[in-house]
Amino acid sequence: DAGVTQSPTHLIKTRGQQVTLRCSPKSGHDTVSWYQQALGQGPQFIFQYYEEEERQRGNFPDRFSGHQFPNYSSELNVNALLLGDSALYLCASSPWGTGALTYEQYFGPGTRLTVT
Amino acid sequence: RKEVEQDPGPFNVPEGATVAFNCTYSNSASQSFFWYRQDCRKEPKLLMSVYSSGNEDGRFTAQLNRASQYISLLIRDSKLSDSATYLCVSRNTGKLIFGQGTTLQVKP
Repeated sequence: DAGVTQSPTHLIKTRGQQVTLRCSPKSGHDTVSWYQQALGQGPQFIFQYYEEEERQRGNFPDRFSGHQFPNYSSELNVNALLLGDSALYLCASSPWGTGALTYEQYFGPGTRLTVT
Repeated sequence: RKEVEQDPGPFNVPEGATVAFNCTYSNSASQSFFWYRQDCRKEPKLLMSVYSSGNEDGRFTAQLNRASQYISLLIRDSKLSDSATYLCVSRNTGKLIFGQGTTLQVKP
């Protein structure tokens, strides 16, 4: 049973460029959340997708956008890259509407983005 | 003020020591709480969920105090392999809110 997978592993971009990161959820999961983790900080919630719609969004500018496909995989797009966008981008998957107090979000290994 | 706050440490302890991490949260509407472990340059992994009644998993004990909005993690008989960053997490309407993380270094 494959867990959450992300691609690419590492990426180097220049300020002003655009980037697309990809995520495939764990088998049986239909909800994908994206997080940004800057060095020395905890992950910060960017947004969550379910049924190909953005369901929740954190405090991130419109430069950050996403998409979910019918097979539940997801993309994170960042436009007009800034130096401050350098971070580890984590994708997490879970079943929607689990309801239980202790449902777990499974994280992928992340994509390390460096903006120069 | 951050929604989940924890002392970043580092905590440097000898093998076999008992160490306690604390965390506070500001959103009283938070629905559930967790401790995640993150090894260097790896993804976070769920260590344990946290309940008001307290829960124990081997050498690890977690406790939630809703009145004080306070969460704790106790690690007994520390092992070298416990060296990692421990992230205090609250859940609110499906999204996870992470603290900065507390770094633990267990030394021989």
